[in-house]
Amino acid sequence: QVQLVESGGGLVKPGGSLRLSCAASGFTFSDYYMSWIRQAPGKGLEWVSYISSSSSYTNYADSVKGRFTISRDNAKNSLYLQMNSLRAEDTAVYYCARIARSGWYPQFWGQGTLVTVSS
Amino acid sequence: DIVMTQTPLSLSVTPGQPASISCKSSQSLLHSDGKTYLYWYLQKPGQSPQLLIYEVSSRFSGVPDRFSGSGSGTDFTLKISRVEAEDVGVYYCMQGIHDSWTFGQGTKVEIK
Repeated sequence: QVQLVESGGGLVKPGGSLRLSCAASGFTFSDYYMSWIRQAPGKGLEWVSYISSSSSYTNYADSVKGRFTISRDNAKNSLYLQMNSLRAEDTAVYYCARIARSGWYPQFWGQGTLVTVSS
Repeated sequence: DIVMTQTPLSLSVTPGQPASISCKSSQSLLHSDGKTYLYWYLQKPGQSPQLLIYEVSSRFSGVPDRFSGSGSGTDFTLKISRVEAEDVGVYYCMQGIHDSWTFGQGTKVEIK
């Protein structure tokens, strides 16, 4: 079955950096676009970024453009999110999600990893 | 960005009774390919969101048939025919017609 396991979250100071990872299993990772979606504490869902199956195409929400970089390693079945210049408003649970092949939507979600930006 | 507006924001339902959630988008979600890019997710307490409905009315694998979606253009509805205790959580609609997805604010469903 599809499994997505995020890691790398934690407490970081404003202006700091963090790299999130998502380990995928149960499907052919290299066949799927992947995405990061976040949820601030007690708030709703916000799309962050996505990447094509071959890494040739990426896109970012305006709120993170220029600060976050999405990448993947198909040989390692892993998705990454490099987060730089972190701000308090980046505090959230970050979910990794597999995008459906026959549509354009997050089909399966991981359990999430919490990023807290605070001094 | 497309704005997704859900009503109500909370709902308290007696088990066995129906429930309905509305979602309105600021732009039509009908694509030139004929598909309508509207989705419904449920986030149960302490869990990550799970897909319920895709493209307005198609139930995802394993989703009980008491869940149904309908609508077109900018107005959509999620209905639960008979609410069960396991249906509690926050329901989100999402648009996928644009590159950048946007979600509704969420509707919290509780059991009376």
